[in-house]
Amino acid sequence: EIVLTQTPLSSLVTLGQPASISCTASERFVHSDGTIDLSWLHQRPGQPPRLLIYRISNRLSGVPDRFSGSGAGTDFTLKISRVEAEDVGIYYCTQATKFPYTFGQGTKLEIK
Amino acid sequence: QVQVQESGPGLVKPSETLSLTCVISGLSITTGYNWGWIRQPPGKGLEWIGSMYHSGGNYFNPSLKSRVTISVDKSNNQFSLNLNSVTAADTAVYYCARLGVVGGFDVWGQGTLVTVSS
Repeated sequence: EIVLTQTPLSSLVTLGQPASISCTASERFVHSDGTIDLSWLHQRPGQPPRLLIYRISNRLSGVPDRFSGSGAGTDFTLKISRVEAEDVGIYYCTQATKFPYTFGQGTKLEIK
Repeated sequence: QVQVQESGPGLVKPSETLSLTCVISGLSITTGYNWGWIRQPPGKGLEWIGSMYHSGGNYFNPSLKSRVTISVDKSNNQFSLNLNSVTAADTAVYYCARLGVVGGFDVWGQGTLVTVSS
């Protein structure tokens, strides 16, 4: 199975400052049509996860443009340009390209 | 707006079968999307259990495959999860979700906590 390793596992960020989360896959994963289903989810305490970014770099409708995704091969990154209070919670990368679908361990974002 | 909602017993005895249902609203289950179950043990991360594909196939996490079934009830626009021979390790919040055309789980239920205990 594809193991997704996130770093850091926790991040303490000042409001208005940037944040970055890395997700490294144990192997490449690409659909036969060339697409890579690497997504980023955000989960607030007591809430279900919410999809933020799909196919590495595409923001879902309604997601603020301070969120951006990038990457290629086995290395992917989620960036928040200016952290806001509502951004606290746990961020997960996930792949839905190869079975079994897998998730990173999660990165907890807190405000300093 | 598409919504999904899980329902089922909150307490299951060890060795018995965990059964949950996911009701879909705002979209017909026959429309052509794929659907899945994901779980999250208390204080831990997410684990994909399995998915149901409109093409007709079901795929499961190998770690659970021998104990899991997913079935569809088109007349009631819902799908179900059965996990047999449960143990305390199966205690978790269980989510149903839609696997969107964008390649990620884009619609999630609120989740339902299932505790395995005698």
